[in-house]
Amino acid sequence: DTEVTQTPKHLVMGMTNKKSLKCEQHMGHRAMYWYKQKAKKPPELMFVYSYEKLSINESVPSRFSPECPNSSLLNLHLHALQPEDSALYLCASSTLTTNEKLFFGSGTQLSVL
Amino acid sequence: GENVEQHPSTLSVQEGDSAVIKCTYSDSASNYFPWYKQELGKGPQLIIDIRSNVGEKKDQRIAVTLNKTAKHFSLHITETQPEDSAVYFCAGSRGGTSYGKLTFGQGTILTVHP
Repeated sequence: DTEVTQTPKHLVMGMTNKKSLKCEQHMGHRAMYWYKQKAKKPPELMFVYSYEKLSINESVPSRFSPECPNSSLLNLHLHALQPEDSALYLCASSTLTTNEKLFFGSGTQLSVL
Repeated sequence: GENVEQHPSTLSVQEGDSAVIKCTYSDSASNYFPWYKQELGKGPQLIIDIRSNVGEKKDQRIAVTLNKTAKHFSLHITETQPEDSAVYFCAGSRGGTSYGKLTFGQGTILTVHP
């Protein structure tokens, strides 16, 4: 299995809602990532987990809260988002030895109303 | 920090022609250069990569070349097909402990006309 699976594929939420994005991989990768991609732009790194511990937070606002319950799962909890947070949220994974070689999921297209 | 510039921003070719996309980078310490293809509604997919100790790498119809002295690298697609139509991103990384810190170019929208 060489896939990174993300759910849901699409999500519409209001600014007062709480929602979660989910990501799963079964490649045995011990590094997992959240990226944000605005339309017609390249992906931007948000968070990095290695060995299920948060190792990098790229100064992301606290309304985004990541969680890594185990080595296969990665969540992104969303609360009190703004319309400008609307974007494609991508999960990726990699081995720790070749951690620059990323495998991306198909993303969750998020719209904040 | 690293800066990666990618050209052209859009590229239109006829089926069967070749396509070339070029990137330049600023960080001399960058040593890993992947190329990603992103189709509509999908995440980026790694199509080919090259490390700084190699000058050229080929995989069927796609190839990447790297000129470390000039700090530029290029993607070459031969015998293009309509299914090659997508957005292509180049990227640079220091590798090792970079932990997903890829610096992406701005992307090239490739359209292959049948």
